[in-house]
Amino acid sequence: NAGVTQTPKFRILKIGQSMTLQCTQDMNHNYMYWYRQDPGMGLKLIYYSVGAGITDKGEVPNGYNVSRSTTEDFPLRLELAAPSQTSVYFCASSALDRGSGQYFGPGTRLTVT
Amino acid sequence: DAKTTQPTSMDCAEGRAANLPCNHSTISGNEYVYWYRQIHSQGPQYIIHGLKNNETNEMASLIITEDRKSSTLILPHATLRDTAVYYCTNTGTASKLTFGTGTRLQVML
Repeated sequence: NAGVTQTPKFRILKIGQSMTLQCTQDMNHNYMYWYRQDPGMGLKLIYYSVGAGITDKGEVPNGYNVSRSTTEDFPLRLELAAPSQTSVYFCASSALDRGSGQYFGPGTRLTVT
Repeated sequence: DAKTTQPTSMDCAEGRAANLPCNHSTISGNEYVYWYRQIHSQGPQYIIHGLKNNETNEMASLIITEDRKSSTLILPHATLRDTAVYYCTNTGTASKLTFGTGTRLQVML
């Protein structure tokens, strides 16, 4: 199993540009999550999904959108990028909502200038 | 949000057991204890979780006190590759996962 994969690994955006961060998992997990981690800080939940077709906002959803058309894929869309969105973005998945760990991807390092 | 307290940093000699403590001051009855680690610039890595009983897997052992207010992660034979920041947390649902500042474990030769 590849686990959770994310693309791209690095990206530089100009202010106002848009992009989609891709996330795929091959563990057949229903639950998927997007986090951002600013330097020296903890994780902040952006959006999560409990299954295909179902998404919900996390702690910091403004400026982002998600969709979940399949169990495997959970892309994160950034519209009108701003410098405040400079961060490392992690996608994760878990088998259960309770009593199971989350498995994280390697991250996408995004810089908005 | 989970309120946990961990030492800022710890050192451990390679080959020795690393015992990382955590206080879970606000844990409630239905919340699991989780441990994760993050090696520099990588994604967080799930290590182990438990509810009430002690747990062991291929990576580590987890000891939870009877009142569940504290836990200890044990890496039985630490290696240089175990150098990382270790996070403990407690949550009832995965969507509420939060990390504190963690313990920076340095494994030394």
